[in-house]
Amino acid sequence: DTAVSQTPKYLVTQMGNDKSIKCEQNLGHDTMYWYKQDSKKFLKIMFSYNNKELIINETVPNRFSPKSPDKAHLNLHINSLELGDSAVYFCASSWDREETQYFGPGTRLLVL
Amino acid sequence: DQQVKQNSPSLSVQEGRISILNCDYTNSMFDYFLWYKKYPAEGPTFLISISSIKDKNEDGRFTVFLNKSAKHLSLHIVPSQPGDSAVYFCAATSNAGNMLTFGGGTRLMVKP
Repeated sequence: DTAVSQTPKYLVTQMGNDKSIKCEQNLGHDTMYWYKQDSKKFLKIMFSYNNKELIINETVPNRFSPKSPDKAHLNLHINSLELGDSAVYFCASSWDREETQYFGPGTRLLVL
Repeated sequence: DQQVKQNSPSLSVQEGRISILNCDYTNSMFDYFLWYKKYPAEGPTFLISISSIKDKNEDGRFTVFLNKSAKHLSLHIVPSQPGDSAVYFCAATSNAGNMLTFGGGTRLMVKP
């Protein structure tokens, strides 16, 4: 059983489109995250949600909107996609106040 | 401004020998450090961690050493195996704040 899953695995789309990436965890964790790995391979935190409430937003453009319908899901919606949004997006989860995070397999987004 | 740095982008080691991966940090507030391993097209997987109250943590073939005064940590893999070939990321956090700051990764290649 996959602990943290993401869909889709690959996403190719045109500039200006709106797209969503879904994340689900079955670990019972109460905190979920979105990270972006850019072309230079750096992994950077975008958002953190605890029990469906936003607790970290690392100066991400407001075209990116995370939505957490329940503590097992954290979806990422991106409006008006730009070329620079091309990256690998990783979802992760953990217990609140616990350092170890568990990552999903990533969603490879390519904006043309 | 990179707060966590892995200055060696790649490392090549013979099977059976020791692999030493290094990581430096600048933020003195960091109090917990983690190593993640990442295979291509997969998400990072947690490997080993260390709290700032310790200077060594060991788990099987993997040992992490922390030198707080030098703001330096290292991951030792002994003996190295071809299956260890992957990208290794160092990460740090403070006060269980849930936000991991990652280094740029080191690609380890273990030759048979």
